[in-house]
Amino acid sequence: NAGVTQTPKFRVLKTGQSMTLLCAQDMNHEYMYWYRQDPGMGLRLIHYSVGEGTTAKGEVPDGYNVSRLKKQNFLLGLESAAPSQTSVYFCASSYRTLSNYGYTFGSGTRLTVV
Amino acid sequence: QQQVKQSPQSLIVQKGGISIINCAYENTAFDYFPWYQQFPGKGPALLIAIRPDVSEKKEGRFTISFNKSAKQFSLHIMDSQPGDSATYFCAASMETSGSRLTFGEGTQLTVNP
Repeated sequence: NAGVTQTPKFRVLKTGQSMTLLCAQDMNHEYMYWYRQDPGMGLRLIHYSVGEGTTAKGEVPDGYNVSRLKKQNFLLGLESAAPSQTSVYFCASSYRTLSNYGYTFGSGTRLTVV
Repeated sequence: QQQVKQSPQSLIVQKGGISIINCAYENTAFDYFPWYQQFPGKGPALLIAIRPDVSEKKEGRFTISFNKSAKQFSLHIMDSQPGDSATYFCAASMETSGSRLTFGEGTQLTVNP
């Protein structure tokens, strides 16, 4: 049981390049989320999905796009990377009701844009 | 707009001491308040959570105290251990909003041996 798997773990991009971060979960969770973590700012929600084929904007969606074509996968895309997108990105998944289980987070992707 | 404010930013305690981290929220519609623990290079992991119908929840050495009227909640770590050294995040959520979590800024806890 792998939980939430994020790929890649590290990446360096040049300004203007594009990339896709992949998140996969094997817990049959309905909901999936992408957060970015920056020092002193906690985790901020980029986009989220409440089911296959649905996505919605979070707190800081600009410059990112997402897709959830399969229930177990949630992709985060950067079309034209900017230095302000240098961050650690976390994917998470959850049941519809958080109850006692909360989110299960991946181990993160450290992205540097130069 | 930071809907959940957390303090202190960093905290140093001695082994065996009590660590206290505080959070304040603005949105009275929040109905779920978890605390997450994060070790370097890892994703956050759920530590303990509370709903607003109770004022306190205890799990082992970890206790959440919740004050609905003041819109505040806190994490108490009793008998703090060096292994508790990590970053702690409070958060808040509404189940009607897709269970999105709004996180506090984080507290870096160091427990000295």
